[in-house]
Amino acid sequence: QKEVEQNSGPLSVPEGAIASLNCTYSDRVSQSFFWYRQYSGKSPELIMSIYSNGDKEDGRFTAQLNKASQYVSLLIRDSQPSDSATYLCAGKTYSGNTPLVFGKGTRLSVIA
Amino acid sequence: GAVVSQHPSWVICKSGTSVKIECRSLDFQATTMFWYRQFPKQSLMLMATSNEGSKATYEQGVEKDKFLINHASLTLSTLTVTSAHPEDSSFYICSASPRTSGGNEQFFGPGTRLTVL
Repeated sequence: QKEVEQNSGPLSVPEGAIASLNCTYSDRVSQSFFWYRQYSGKSPELIMSIYSNGDKEDGRFTAQLNKASQYVSLLIRDSQPSDSATYLCAGKTYSGNTPLVFGKGTRLSVIA
Repeated sequence: GAVVSQHPSWVICKSGTSVKIECRSLDFQATTMFWYRQFPKQSLMLMATSNEGSKATYEQGVEKDKFLINHASLTLSTLTVTSAHPEDSSFYICSASPRTSGGNEQFFGPGTRLTVL
């Protein structure tokens, strides 16, 4: 199993709908989890971080972490065309100043 | 807060020349910075971990003599691509973690697009 896995997509949703992005991870990736958004030709931008089981909400974004099932998800409510991007799931194998382990990303397309 | 800058944002050079890319944390101190490379339509690939005041840790397959990393201060790390060749053309991105976040959250610079002719 790859350390962080994502469906590459593309995931297409109509404007105003909820976009659901999922990510699973291996036993080695047990620490913090992050969602990044990357527009084409740009660098990743941190959207959410989540460290403990449950939901974490920030505006239209909700991150969900389930350590027992080893998955983390990102929900985007009221999706807008400007949300169209690649969403990268990342985790850490150790705490502290250690590298992130990235999934390959899911391409989201919000159709107006 | 947590702004990371890179310079230059793009560079075109001739094959065989060296190119230096700077990564700065503008409003925080970062003991550790990371360098990534991304080819078109591919995922981020970690090249090395740069620690202030010590040698960088390179990922397997990354030539340390070709990609020189210097982390001279808590706000500056540089990546020098020596004797660049067309296959080194890529999008180079750095990231940094604020010391106050315990090294958890990482913030990315805007990236440097390198084209080697």
